[in-house]
Amino acid sequence: DGGITQSPKYLFRKEGQNVTLSCEQNLNHDAMYWYRQDPGQGLRLIYYSQIVNDFQKGDIAEGYSVSREKKESFPLTVTSAQKNPTAFYLCASNSYGYTFGSGTRLTVV
Amino acid sequence: QKEVEQDPGPLSVPEGAIVSLNCTYSNSAFQYFMWYRQYSRKGPELLMYTYSSGNKEDGRFTAQVDKSSKYISLFIRDSQPSDSATYLCAMSARASKIIFGSGTRLSIRP
Repeated sequence: DGGITQSPKYLFRKEGQNVTLSCEQNLNHDAMYWYRQDPGQGLRLIYYSQIVNDFQKGDIAEGYSVSREKKESFPLTVTSAQKNPTAFYLCASNSYGYTFGSGTRLTVV
Repeated sequence: QKEVEQDPGPLSVPEGAIVSLNCTYSNSAFQYFMWYRQYSRKGPELLMYTYSSGNKEDGRFTAQVDKSSKYISLFIRDSQPSDSATYLCAMSARASKIIFGSGTRLSIRP
């Protein structure tokens, strides 16, 4: 079945640590997106990529980094510069409406 | 003012009732309108996708777009407990990123 796979489902980060969230798709979509979801705030765009080797900052890119070396993969790194990283992170790809992954819940410990 | 406004709820209705969920928006360039359903701790799933004004029906779900009023609606007929979820409206202009509402929490009482 085609879809988006996010891993891990749960992730714990210590203070000052960088962590990387994985996002893989087999839908052959060019565009991929990373969103952050906090209670009562809806989805906020972190980064997006319209094509391999190219990506743009979204509304809340500070403290995050991405790469797009392959069409299928769009990993997100949450760096130590992100002061409030605890949230639910969603990856999506786009063709006539987004297809979302099942999300990664990141918690700072 | 946010580009997309959505009442967060929660909205609680008895099983079998008709549910009406709504969003308003400010950007007249929006042409593509979507509704997503999100169960707790899951990613959103696309329910309805419409272009420009008008109605679209899919089973128990009907999406309406009124571009003159900048208002979109999702109706759920014969609501079921399994419809209990958060519903997100979303919209975009041509070839631009999608803007999401903050979501409405819906609970269907058996």
